[in-house]
Amino acid sequence: ELKVEQNPLFLSMQEGKNYTIYCNYSTTSDRLYWYRQDPGKSLESLFVLLSNGAVKQEGRLMASLDTKARLSTLHITAAVHDLSATYFCAVDMRGSNYKLTFGKGTLLTVNP
Amino acid sequence: GAGVSQSPRYKVAKRGQDVALRCDPISGHVSLFWYQQALGQGPEFLTYFQNEAQLDKSGLPSDRFFAERPEGSVSTLKIQRTQQEDSAVYLCASSLAGGWSTEAFFGQGTRLTVV
Repeated sequence: ELKVEQNPLFLSMQEGKNYTIYCNYSTTSDRLYWYRQDPGKSLESLFVLLSNGAVKQEGRLMASLDTKARLSTLHITAAVHDLSATYFCAVDMRGSNYKLTFGKGTLLTVNP
Repeated sequence: GAGVSQSPRYKVAKRGQDVALRCDPISGHVSLFWYQQALGQGPEFLTYFQNEAQLDKSGLPSDRFFAERPEGSVSTLKIQRTQQEDSAVYLCASSLAGGWSTEAFFGQGTRLTVV
């Protein structure tokens, strides 16, 4: 059974600070996804990481993937209030490209 | 339509009542997925359709849950004899090709509360 663990589950940051969210998964996977969810809203795709060493950046967010360590990180640079949301990582199991397993999510709050 | 549309957005059901949740995928999308998101948790896979074929229903929690997509477009998730543990947000997603892809999009979900 594929398990996905995120930490921390809750993160309170000050504006302007940097932080990293970690996502560990238990079995070999083809793809790793990061999603953002605002309260009462659906999930918005942020990044898809397809191979070992993949790095993607969009604005103040940067995601990376280490398939050997089964670890992905989402790095936040100089946080701003608009980044406050819940962030999920999700993984699909090799050979099962339609079923995503999600982590529990990291609730990020950026304070002034 | 422009995105995945789900209805109703909110549903309150009395325990034991049957409910039907509707999903309109993006036009032309082959794949359709249902996920269940309990409060404070990540979404959990329920079922997957490719066109009208239900290829995986392993995530459906019990035989009270039933999903269909008879014409390969709109899908309905039906829950019979609802229980309190069924309270959750039910998310539908669609994808242009077979399987999950970078072009998969979620709808806004239906929040089901069983009282």
